[in-house]
Amino acid sequence: DAGVIQSPRHEVTEMGQEVTLRCKPISGHNSLFWYRQTMMRGLELLIYFNNNVPIDDSGMPEDRFSAKMPNASFSTLKIQPSEPRDSAVYFCASRAGYLGSNSPLHFGNGTRLTVT
Amino acid sequence: DAKTTQPTSMDCAEGRAANLPCNHSTISGNEYVYWYRQIHSQGPQYIIHGLKNNETNEMASLIITEDRKSSTLILPHATLRDTAVYYCIVTEYGNKLVFGAGTILRVKS
Repeated sequence: DAGVIQSPRHEVTEMGQEVTLRCKPISGHNSLFWYRQTMMRGLELLIYFNNNVPIDDSGMPEDRFSAKMPNASFSTLKIQPSEPRDSAVYFCASRAGYLGSNSPLHFGNGTRLTVT
Repeated sequence: DAKTTQPTSMDCAEGRAANLPCNHSTISGNEYVYWYRQIHSQGPQYIIHGLKNNETNEMASLIITEDRKSSTLILPHATLRDTAVYYCIVTEYGNKLVFGAGTILRVKS
């Protein structure tokens, strides 16, 4: 089991550029989550998918952020245009089970985004 | 989801048991207690969860009081690699975990 795979591990970009973060969930998991972590705000849930369908995107900060899950093995989080306040570590997580189950989340090791 | 209260930080001697407390006095009957930890520069890692009964796995034990208003995570023989931030989360549905500030556990030799 390779775990949740995120790429890139580090991303440095200039303000105004488009940034795309990628996630491959654990095979067989049908829920996928995007979290953001900063010193000021801690870990925040941005959006989650179940069976490739977005269920709750209430944590997405603004229209500059978008997330897609075109198939069960891939998801992207895009920021366009990026701003310095978007600098954070972005985590992807996945889990098995139906929507209301209590199976645990498995997190990737994150993408550290720096916007200058 | 019920709110949780954890100490900001704790120290533990290597090889001793680490007992991390969590208060969740407003927990409802359908809410589970989850514990995750985050080692520096890594993603959060699931440790254990429970509803009413005490639980044990290869990583830790979870002791939940009879009134369910508090719980304790026990790492039986702490090692330096257990130094991390430990999060106690109470939720009915595992799909919306809300992470608080957690407890910084420092294991010292």
